[in-house]
Amino acid sequence: EAGVAQSPRYKIIEKRQSVAFWCNPISGHATLYWYQQILGQGPKLLIQFQNNGVVDDSQLPKDRFSAERLKGVDSTLKIQPAKLEDSAVYLCASSWEWTGFNEQFFGPGTRLTVL
Amino acid sequence: AQKVTQAQTEISVVEKEDVTLDCVYETRDTTYYLFWYKQPPSGELVFLIRRNSFDEQNEISGRYSWNFQKSTSSFNFTITASQVVDSAVYFCALSEASTGNQFYFGTGTSLTVIP
Repeated sequence: EAGVAQSPRYKIIEKRQSVAFWCNPISGHATLYWYQQILGQGPKLLIQFQNNGVVDDSQLPKDRFSAERLKGVDSTLKIQPAKLEDSAVYLCASSWEWTGFNEQFFGPGTRLTVL
Repeated sequence: AQKVTQAQTEISVVEKEDVTLDCVYETRDTTYYLFWYKQPPSGELVFLIRRNSFDEQNEISGRYSWNFQKSTSSFNFTITASQVVDSAVYFCALSEASTGNQFYFGTGTSLTVIP
């Protein structure tokens, strides 16, 4: 079974530029999550999708971050414009459904450096 | 307030020693789930175990064991006879029904096993 795929693996941009990350979840997984993991901290949920609908985006900085999951499969996370404090690893995860019983499967992450 | 506390930031042990990673959680829900994930240097979070709040039975899987105690709100993880391959950051996470089952991660414990 293929795991969660993410690209790119690394990205370096200057502040005020825009950037986009892509995620392809495990086939059949209805729920998709985007997390931000700042160095030395645990992952923090940014947004959660159930199929192509948003379940929770309460911690997404909506003035600069946006995410979509068209057709309920792949997802993109965008930052525009980026700030220095956005430097982090952005993790995508998926699960069968959004009940707490289901473990989340994580991708390798995208390491973003904002200069 | 932090829902999941991992007080040990870094631990170093010599190979073959036993080591226990502590996790203390905070919740008012009666139904919740606890997880442990391993994050090796490659960055991908790997699921280790899931526990629901109604099952306090301890679990052993090879060299890994988990001790769940609701009385002290703890879900500790022990590695017996540690190996170099156990070197990683370990995260404890909580999922609550009242908050839509989103995962709350601790700040992680970085374990280094010295050969």
